[in-house]
Amino acid sequence: EAGVVQSPRYKIIEKKQPVAFWCNPISGHNTLYWYRQNLGQGPELLIRYENEEAVDDSQLPKDRFSAERLKGVDSTLKIQPAELGDSAVYLCASSQHGSGTFSYEQYFGPGTRLTVT
Amino acid sequence: GNSVTQMEGPVTLSEEAFLTINCTYTATGYPSLFWYVQYPGEGLQLLLKATKADDKGSNKGFEATYRKETTSFHLEKGSVQVSDSAVYFCALTLQGGSGGSNYKLTFGKGTLLTVNP
Repeated sequence: EAGVVQSPRYKIIEKKQPVAFWCNPISGHNTLYWYRQNLGQGPELLIRYENEEAVDDSQLPKDRFSAERLKGVDSTLKIQPAELGDSAVYLCASSQHGSGTFSYEQYFGPGTRLTVT
Repeated sequence: GNSVTQMEGPVTLSEEAFLTINCTYTATGYPSLFWYVQYPGEGLQLLLKATKADDKGSNKGFEATYRKETTSFHLEKGSVQVSDSAVYFCALTLQGGSGGSNYKLTFGKGTLLTVNP
């Protein structure tokens, strides 16, 4: 079974430029998460999707961050414009929620390491 | 709110040494507890989990016991190997929480383990 796929793995941009990250979750997983992991810290949730609906975006800085999950499968996270403080690893995770499943197990992708100069 | 506190690293051990990484938590409800591991250049992988008090999670020689009375979930391994070198994260979600809190993983800051041959 293929895991969570993310691209690109690394991205270096200048401040004020836009950037986008892509995530393909595990097949059949209806819930998708974007996390941000700052250096030396644990990941923090940015947004959670149930199918194509964003059900928790309370931690997403909406002035410059946006996300979409068209058709309830792949997802894109965008930053425009990027700031120096956005340098971090952006992790995507997915899980399957429903009756008879363990609702708390999330599977993570390798992440995209963003450096803003 | 919910929080997870891990012992500060880095932790450096010799091969076959005994490992303990302390983890304590605070939670507004009844949490499920997890240990995730992040190998260099890879995403987070679930190492083990426990969903109720006195449960013991185990995997790959690692163990952790859910201690409700001390709000702890310490990670142990009797004999570490060089291949165990990684960053270890303790995390929790709430069970049956409202507003999707049962899906949100709250992580500690991580503990870097280096095992020397």
